[in-house]
Amino acid sequence: KAGVTQTPRYLIKTRGQQVTLSCSPISGHRSVSWYQQTPGQGLQFLFEYFSETQRNKGNFPGRFSGRQFSNSRSEMNVSTLELGDSALYLCASSSTSGASRTQYFGPGTRLTVL
Amino acid sequence: AQSVTQPDIHITVSEGASLELRCNYSYGATPYLFWYVQSPGQGLQLLLKYFSGDTLVQGIKGFEAEFKRSQSSFNLRKPSVHWSDAAEYFCAVGATGTYKYIFGTGTRLKVLA
Repeated sequence: KAGVTQTPRYLIKTRGQQVTLSCSPISGHRSVSWYQQTPGQGLQFLFEYFSETQRNKGNFPGRFSGRQFSNSRSEMNVSTLELGDSALYLCASSSTSGASRTQYFGPGTRLTVL
Repeated sequence: AQSVTQPDIHITVSEGASLELRCNYSYGATPYLFWYVQSPGQGLQLLLKYFSGDTLVQGIKGFEAEFKRSQSSFNLRKPSVHWSDAAEYFCAVGATGTYKYIFGTGTRLKVLA
C-alpha cells in the first residue's frame, strides 16, 4: 500500500499570503490529522477530520483551517501568513478516529514564510 | 491535563551499546501509548504501540517498550544500537475518551562509531 503523501514538499511564501497544503491518506483510511512541528513548540495538533467532519481542533487561530473531501483527501489552509507559521506541517492518516487511532505520517510540507 | 514528558533532550551512545529512552505521561486512565522515530527532514515512523495486555511490547527495528502503570512510564529500549538509529524519538499519548494525541518534546539520539 502506498503511504501518506503530502504536496508540495517545500513551499516559500511571504507574509500576508495564504497557502494550501494537500494530504492524501493511505488507501482506505478515513481519518486525517494535521500537526505543526517547530523547534520551539515541538509537535502540535491542528485538527482531525474523519469522514469529512472535523472531529477535534487544537489551539490555533482561525487563520488555520482545513477540510476533507469524500475521497478522504484533505487540505489545510493558512491565511494571512505570519513569520511564526514557518514550520514542518505533518499529515497523518488512520483507519479509525479517536485517541486509540494508530496514525501513519507523511513526509511533511516544509513551509517557509519570509 | 494530559501531558507527556521526555526528560532527555539529547542522548549519545556508542554503536553496539544498549539504549533506553524515557517517557512519562500524566493521565488518569490507561492511555494509548506510542513511540515514533523521525529522521532529519522526514515524517514520523511508528515504532510500536501499547493499548492493553502484555506490558512489554515489541516493535520494528529491534525496539521494545515497557508500560509501567505504577511509574506512569513507557520507556523505549534497544539492546544494541546501530549507527542508523541516530534520529529523533517521540513518545505520544492518546487520551481515552477524546480525540487528542499528545506528543512529547522528543529525544535526539546520537550514535558514536
